[in-house]
Amino acid sequence: GAGVSQSPSNKVTEKGKDVELRCDPISGHTALYWYRQSLGQGLEFLIYFQGNSAPDKSGLPSDRFSAERTGGSVSTLTIQRTQQEDSAVYLCASSFQGRSGTEAFFGQGTRLTVV
Amino acid sequence: AQTVTQSQPEMSVQEAETVTLSCTYDTSENNYYLFWYKQPPSRQMILVIRQEAYKQQNATENRFSVNFQKAAKSFSLKISDSQLGDTAMYFCASITGTASKLTFGTGTRLQVTL
Repeated sequence: GAGVSQSPSNKVTEKGKDVELRCDPISGHTALYWYRQSLGQGLEFLIYFQGNSAPDKSGLPSDRFSAERTGGSVSTLTIQRTQQEDSAVYLCASSFQGRSGTEAFFGQGTRLTVV
Repeated sequence: AQTVTQSQPEMSVQEAETVTLSCTYDTSENNYYLFWYKQPPSRQMILVIRQEAYKQQNATENRFSVNFQKAAKSFSLKISDSQLGDTAMYFCASITGTASKLTFGTGTRLQVTL
């Protein structure tokens, strides 16, 4: 596609349920990021994939959060046993080879609401 | 570790006026890049301007320009002739040659008024 695509756009889930958020990066982009953004706040880094290298998971807030990237393309962020504090917008971004200075393109995010 | 600091949570400017958003950063690297991103109410993050640390000349993009002070580790964004469509959250970000991971500031909410 022309840009980074995220699905679903909005997700409402019950506390304790598992959710999966999907990111389709721009074709050819080998770097992929996940960020979390609470209402009106800044971006909290979650995880970074770069090609075939081991992902940088240093931002994942707990072991309930995990992410994978299949075939160097699509990525799925999974949150297990969701809590109300997980409610936020989850943003995905991709860039070409993750080279410094290369622009990261963002998707429109998934707004997750845990009730 | 990289850090990016935006000390102005909110700012307001009248249409057609000029406004400057502040950003400071800290890195031990010599090779790094700085960015300003805009996030309007639509939630879509858009790159506004990019600066390479090795370039002394300040980057400009139409009404947007930066004041890059490398020694002071300062990277402010100037918006000239502000327009209503400039209303958004603005994020400063950095990436270094070794980290290859974008680090963002906490953002400045800019409101352009009539």
